[in-house]
Amino acid sequence: NAGVTQTPKFRILKIGQSMTLQCTQDMNHNYMYWYRQDPGMGLKLIYYSVGAGITDKGEVPNGYNVSRSTTEDFPLRLELAAPSQTSVYFCASSYSSSSYNSPLHFGNGTRLTVT
Amino acid sequence: AQTVTQSQPEMSVQEAETVTLSCTYDTSESNYYLFWYKQPPSRQMILVIRQEAYKQQNATENRFSVNFQKAAKSFSLKISDSQLGDTAMYFCAFMNTLYNFNKFYFGSGTKLNVKP
Repeated sequence: NAGVTQTPKFRILKIGQSMTLQCTQDMNHNYMYWYRQDPGMGLKLIYYSVGAGITDKGEVPNGYNVSRSTTEDFPLRLELAAPSQTSVYFCASSYSSSSYNSPLHFGNGTRLTVT
Repeated sequence: AQTVTQSQPEMSVQEAETVTLSCTYDTSESNYYLFWYKQPPSRQMILVIRQEAYKQQNATENRFSVNFQKAAKSFSLKISDSQLGDTAMYFCAFMNTLYNFNKFYFGSGTKLNVKP
């Protein structure tokens, strides 16, 4: 059982380049999330999805896009990378019930640097 | 809006001693869930412990326990018999049940350094 798998682990982009962060989970979770973690800050929600074909913006969606074609996969697309997008990115998933059994399960994160 | 505050940016503790990390939150809801996550230098986010707001009894997981004070909106984490492997960032998280998805709010974290 792999849980949440996120790739790549590290990436350096030049300003204006684009890239896709991949995320897949094998726990059959309906809810999936993308967070960014900036130094000294908690996690900020970028986008989330409540199921295949359904996505919505979180707190900091500007400069990002997502898609959810299957239950398992939730890629995050960065278009026209900017230095402000330098951060650590986490993909996460959870059960769809609002309960004690719905903690977030995280991937191992991607450290992205935009120069 | 819900907020989660961790007022201790950094703490140190000697190996084998006990340390308490504080967390307060602001909400008008009566039913919610609280979590502590550990982030070691490997960057992985690991669930440490969880608490349901409507349960009076404090959650315990081995050396980790919480002091949940609902009226005071406080959710502190106590680590007993600290080990070197406990060195990590610790994040307190609040889960909102009002939205159409599980919305989490995170504190800014407490960096814990366990000294030999």
